[in-house]
Amino acid sequence: EVQLVESGGGLVKPGGSLRVSCAASGFTLTNAWMNWVRQAPGKGLEWVGRIKTETDGGTKDYAAPVKGRFTISRDDSKNTLYLQMNSLKTEDTAVYYCTWGFQHWGQGTLVTVSS
Amino acid sequence: SYELTQPPSVSVSPGQTARVTCSGDGLAKKYGSWFQQKPGQAPVVMIYQDTERPSGIPERFSGSSSGTTVTLTISGVQAEDEADYYCLSSDSSGNYVFGTGTQVTVL
Repeated sequence: EVQLVESGGGLVKPGGSLRVSCAASGFTLTNAWMNWVRQAPGKGLEWVGRIKTETDGGTKDYAAPVKGRFTISRDDSKNTLYLQMNSLKTEDTAVYYCTWGFQHWGQGTLVTVSS
Repeated sequence: SYELTQPPSVSVSPGQTARVTCSGDGLAKKYGSWFQQKPGQAPVVMIYQDTERPSGIPERFSGSSSGTTVTLTISGVQAEDEADYYCLSSDSSGNYVFGTGTQVTVL
């Protein structure tokens, strides 16, 4: 059974950094295109970024609002996906979801950026 | 930036048909997907590649595409279908974009 479990959310001050994780089971991250999607409180879904498989070049792409501040990475030995978020802004406050191909989703982790 | 436009809300009586549209110039060349999201839950894919329904999704959910618009149709709406619905597609760079979202209310 495919499972995605996010963790690492919490409260961080503007300008700070946070890394959220997505532990995968039931499949191998190495062979999957993975995406991060976020949802601000009471708002719609917003695509954050994607990492392709090494076979497809391992390319990482990001939405304009987070480009240059957020970095997606993967630890194949732990079968875990990461989202490193730097220079956080109040508008980054959201539930962050990881998803495999938009077919399988985690339960999300809440990141709150506030002073 | 690329945008996908949906009506903010759609209301329908039980047993009737609900149609949710999603418009964007790129939809003429790119596939669209549809997601259902209920409060406090992660999104669930209902339709992908414009018309394909994943296993386990009720047959009353269907998708269609015409020009720059994709449409989600819910035939014989049930109370449990009340939720927010989002379309998803990609822009010319291959980056993904979600639609603005539609709240479907079952009267």
